[in-house]
Amino acid sequence: GAVVSQHPSWVICKSGTSVKIECRSLDFQATTMFWYRQFPKQSLMLMATSNEGSKATYEQGVEKDKFLINHASLTLSTLTVTSAHPEDSSFYICSVPPPGLAKNIQYFGAGTRLSVL
Amino acid sequence: AQKITQTQPGMFVQEKEAVTLDCTYDTSDQSYGLFWYKQPSSGEMIFLIYQGSYDEQNATEGRYSLNFQKARKSANLVISASQLGDSAMYFCAMREGYNYGQNFVFGPGTRLSVLP
Repeated sequence: GAVVSQHPSWVICKSGTSVKIECRSLDFQATTMFWYRQFPKQSLMLMATSNEGSKATYEQGVEKDKFLINHASLTLSTLTVTSAHPEDSSFYICSVPPPGLAKNIQYFGAGTRLSVL
Repeated sequence: AQKITQTQPGMFVQEKEAVTLDCTYDTSDQSYGLFWYKQPSSGEMIFLIYQGSYDEQNATEGRYSLNFQKARKSANLVISASQLGDSAMYFCAMREGYNYGQNFVFGPGTRLSVLP
């Protein structure tokens, strides 16, 4: 079964509204989660690292005030796209790294397709 | 410089035949991991296979095998007996060291189309 649950899978919103995306680790606690963005026909690009109990770390070029990340618990991270605009339309996907060093699979959510009208 | 290169934007293969998807990587780390993911049109990232830099044998997982040539820094994915359901985007990825996040990068991807 799924190790990471991401919700919603698809959202359409009007320009100027905010959208919240949830990422849940189902099988283990995760002090760190990652948020990626994927534009059509492109690869996944890391947006930010979500840290439980502290501020998220954003990659260069990603506006932290626009993409709010809250790692409220050891199993939940949320990404809020504030005042969304059409250029924010993209596929957003979260991931959870494996616990410990023994495992070598990073687990991904199913992704959220955001369309801003 | 690109850490992961996938030179084939698109590939076609006849059903039931084998296909090789190319991947070359660039790192100065001694410890790293190489991954292949499949992304169907639904968007989910499906893990296929993993190769550690210290693994002496090529990784295999069912119909998937990884042709690891360390000196050439290549990690090609071989899919045997292609099926129509194999049509998807395929991403090669590398983790430098043992941490993820910034240390985990994806290649540009190859779109595989399996023909009936």
